[in-house]
Amino acid sequence: ETGVTQTPRHLVMGMTNKKSLKCEQHLGHNAMYWYKQSAKKPLELMFVYSLEERVENNSVPSRFSPECPNSSHLFLHLHTLQPEDSALYLCASSPPGVAGTQYFGPGTRLTVL
Amino acid sequence: KQEVTQIPAALSVPEGENLVLNCSFTDSAIYNLQWFRQDPGKGLTSLLLIQSSQREQTSGRLNASLDKSSGRSTLYIAASQPGDSATYLCAPSGGGGATNKLIFGTGTLLAVQP
Repeated sequence: ETGVTQTPRHLVMGMTNKKSLKCEQHLGHNAMYWYKQSAKKPLELMFVYSLEERVENNSVPSRFSPECPNSSHLFLHLHTLQPEDSALYLCASSPPGVAGTQYFGPGTRLTVL
Repeated sequence: KQEVTQIPAALSVPEGENLVLNCSFTDSAIYNLQWFRQDPGKGLTSLLLIQSSQREQTSGRLNASLDKSSGRSTLYIAASQPGDSATYLCAPSGGGGATNKLIFGTGTLLAVQP
């Protein structure tokens, strides 16, 4: 248990649905991350938030929309996804500075039909 | 752009063997390097964190080394056990700003046979 929780753990959605993934941490960290892990590919960094401000957007399609209302919560809003978006979506958080580790949640397994 | 390669991609060993996992990265301007473990369908667990000024870190049966100038890190697992079976990921960090941006390799899938 790392202190980072993600809900739901599994999600199946159609291409026309709208859903949201939630990530929560109460570790006092001030940076939060979304990663995508597809089969046979390295984890891809999608978004980075520092002090609730988006500091990184790695050319992610607009059908993925992040939201960070406060330093403890991070959302990933999904709409009109494609089957190739099926993957494990991992959230992580880290303390201030660049010298610390990132703490990962268990992930949400997303399947797009 | 940082690129990370892990060799071998998969490894199967009998219980009790000592083994080495290799990681290479193309950009040596890193803040630190981390080794993670991932069990199937699960999140990542941090195993070891080596700062750029350090050469190695140890935790129990695990020892990680870092040669920043040559862009290499190794993870040594002593006396392997079936419970060590997992995917091991190497992730150097870099980038500007106040956040710790990790770039991951594709991992080494380890199976330790009882």
